[in-house]
Amino acid sequence: DQQVKQNSPSLSVQEGRISILNCDYTNSMFDYFLWYKKYPAEGPTFLISISSIKDKNEDGRFTVFLNKSAKHLSLHIVPSQPGDSAVYFCAAYGAGSYQLTFGKGTKLSVIP
Amino acid sequence: DAMVIQNPRYQVTQFGKPVTLSCSQTLNHNVMYWYQQKSSQAPKLLFHYYDKDFNNEADTPDNFQSRRPNTSFCFLDIRSPGLGDAAMYLCATSRDWGDEQYFGPGTRLTVT
Repeated sequence: DQQVKQNSPSLSVQEGRISILNCDYTNSMFDYFLWYKKYPAEGPTFLISISSIKDKNEDGRFTVFLNKSAKHLSLHIVPSQPGDSAVYFCAAYGAGSYQLTFGKGTKLSVIP
Repeated sequence: DAMVIQNPRYQVTQFGKPVTLSCSQTLNHNVMYWYQQKSSQAPKLLFHYYDKDFNNEADTPDNFQSRRPNTSFCFLDIRSPGLGDAAMYLCATSRDWGDEQYFGPGTRLTVT
């Protein structure tokens, strides 16, 4: 039973354009959402997060949007750069929980 | 730089031969986690420590054990590795439950 779903296994975007990575969740107890970026042969790196009390959080080129009613979040990367090519994981915590539930990831390829 | 270090990066073991993976952290975080990740799958939590308190996930096989002798170090012992245990093993830390988790580079385990 996948509680965090990333329905697009892969995405290709031209350099300089916007990358939009999507994530859906089913557990209404989730209240803190995180995005991780993973290069091959490396561990995931924390990228950006958002609390359920917000609907947007921005950090440089990265913006995460949260739509609680739709149980949907998205990560926007503008402008996309070749170095952004990686697998992106969406993850979520339930309130007071130690367990971080991950999606299966979306592989982003930014084409020069 | 504060970080999470895993050794070795690559480990080859024979079917049934015990193996130990190690993790150390300089972040002084309270919580340490071990995950198993197989190709194209989400990381799967095996267990975690809050300080010295050990917490085992219900579906973690008995074949997997862990030790945390002090705040900085954590070990994953696989008593009798099977072919199905070949995976990337990720160590992560967080300051507290519900905080961002910081991952090490992982150990790629091959079972022959």
